[in-house]
Formats: sequence, C-alpha cells, structure tokens
Amino acid sequence: EAGVTQSPTHLIKTRGQQATLRCSPISGHTSVYWYQQALGLGLQFLLWYDEGEERNRGNFPPRFSGRQFPNYSSELNVNALELEDSALYLCASSLGRRNTEAFFGQGTRLTVV
Amino acid sequence: GESVGLHLPTLSVQEGDNSIINCAYSNSASDYFIWYKQESGKGPQFIIDIRSNMDKRQGQRVTVLLNKTVKHLSLQIAATQPGDSAVYFCAELDSSYKLIFGSGTRLLVRP
Repeated sequence: EAGVTQSPTHLIKTRGQQATLRCSPISGHTSVYWYQQALGLGLQFLLWYDEGEERNRGNFPPRFSGRQFPNYSSELNVNALELEDSALYLCASSLGRRNTEAFFGQGTRLTVV
Repeated sequence: GESVGLHLPTLSVQEGDNSIINCAYSNSASDYFIWYKQESGKGPQFIIDIRSNMDKRQGQRVTVLLNKTVKHLSLQIAATQPGDSAVYFCAELDSSYKLIFGSGTRLLVRP
C-alpha cells in the first residue's frame, strides 16, 4: 500500500511568486495535515483538512492557504513568496480526527530565492 | 501558548546503551501523545503513541512513559543502534485535534 506522497520533491521559486504543493494521503485516510519545517527547527502546524473542509489552521498569514479535494488529496498554496518561506513542507494523513496515528510524506523542499 | 518542549537538544550515547529522550508538554487537557523519528532528508516516522489513560507503553525496543502529574513524556530506546541516530520529536494532540510538535532532540549514537 502506498504511503503519503508529496509532489514536487523540490521546488525553487522567486520571491513574490506563488507555490503550489500537493499531497496524496494514504488510501482511506480522510484527514490531511500540513506542517512547515524550517531548516534545523521543529514542525509548525499550518493547516488541517478533514472530509473536504478546513478544520483548523496555525499561526500563519492568509497567503498560506489550501484545499482538500473529494478524493481527499490536498493542495497547499503559498502566495507572494518570501525568503523566509524556504522550508520543508510536510503533509501527513490519518483516518480521521480521532484516529490520530498520522503518517507523514517525505516533504517538499521549497526554496525561495 | 501551545508548546511541547524538550529538555535536551542533543543526546550522544554509546552503541548498545539505552537512550532516554525527554519531553515536557504544557496542555494538561491533551490526551494523546506520539513520538516521531526523523532521519535526514525524510519525513517524520511514527514510532509509538500513548493515551492519557496509560502511563507506559512498550514497543519493539522502545518504551514511552507518561507522567501526567508533571506533564512529562519520555522515550526510552533499548540497546541503541547506529540506525537510531535521528531527530526525535514528541507531539501532543490538543483539544482541537492539532498535533503540536516539540522542537526535537538529536540522538547521536557513537560506535
């Protein structure tokens, strides 16, 4: 069974551009979480989607947004990129809000130059 | 604010010894905790979890201890191996179902 898959693996963007990151959860998982991990730091919670709806978001500006599709895959969009947005963006999925064992993908390394 | 923190940022142990990684959490209402292992260039990997109605849970070579009185969590790794070298994160599930991560402890295993 495939795990959580993220694409692209690496992404290089210029300051001010927009970035779109994609996540496919494990089959049957309805919850998708997005985290930002700056180099050498911990995971900062970004967004949580469950059953197609945004359930919670972390302390990030509105230019960080996303959505969850009917097949439970998810997109993270970052507008007006800033140099400080350079980080590893991790997606995790779980069976649902109370089935809390969450599995992570390998991440998308976003570099803003 | 939300916080799950770690006492030691780096832990160096001799191969074959036992490792203990500690974590403090701040939300006494949290009822679920997870330990993750993250190797360089990879996403976090689930190791073991524990619910607040337990104080100990064992896996293969790993044990998680939960002390709710002092809001402390620990991960014990028996007979530490070179492959255990990684960054270890504790995480707590808060009342809004967010997984809040600590800043991580780097485990270095000396041959």
